Amino acid sequence: GAGVSQSPSNKVTEKGKDVELRCDPISGHTALYWYRQRLGQGLEFLIYFQGNSAPDKSGLPSDRFSAERTGESVSTLTIQRTQQEDSAVYLCASSLRPTGGYEQYFGPGTRLTVT
Amino acid sequence: GNSVTQMEGPVTLSEEAFLTINCTYTATGYPSLFWYVQYPGEGLQLLLKATKADDKGSNKGFEATYRKETTSFHLEKGSVQVSDSAVYFCALSPLSITDKLIFGTGTRLQVFP
Repeated sequence: GAGVSQSPSNKVTEKGKDVELRCDPISGHTALYWYRQRLGQGLEFLIYFQGNSAPDKSGLPSDRFSAERTGESVSTLTIQRTQQEDSAVYLCASSLRPTGGYEQYFGPGTRLTVT
Repeated sequence: GNSVTQMEGPVTLSEEAFLTINCTYTATGYPSLFWYVQYPGEGLQLLLKATKADDKGSNKGFEATYRKETTSFHLEKGSVQVSDSAVYFCALSPLSITDKLIFGTGTRLQVFP
């Protein structure tokens, strides 16, 4: 079946603008994760959804970052008033269940460049 | 806190050479450990995992053993191929309320014929 998809694949925006990044998880996967990879660094956990609720938002770097998930499917990560340090590849992953060691399947990522 | 440290790259090898990529971790409790791989132009994918001490994960000729006494999970392959060229990420899951992953910085492997 289809894997995790993300859009757009690339986004260039001006500092101070808002951006929305979209993730379509694998159908039936209840857990959805957002990660960020800045240049030369490992992936950082941002937020996790179980169904439509987000029990763990501990990785969101500031209140400019928010995310939602609807219909236990699509998720949107919104960054308001973007800053240059927000430039990174944003990765989404989904898994069948949130705990129990189920494999996380990753999307191809959205490369965000803030100029 | 929880963290993962892996050797910096790039690692450059000739085909059929032996590969080791070192990974050590810091965690409370008993995390699960993973190696993920990202081939050029592709998404991140799970290579292998181990969920408890002394477990060995293996896949595609790669192996890693969960060593609690040295808090390590080194990736090895006996004979690399050009097609193994990729970026390899070591990760742990602290197994709290979620299986969120904590990653190392990644190691780029380049294999030449």
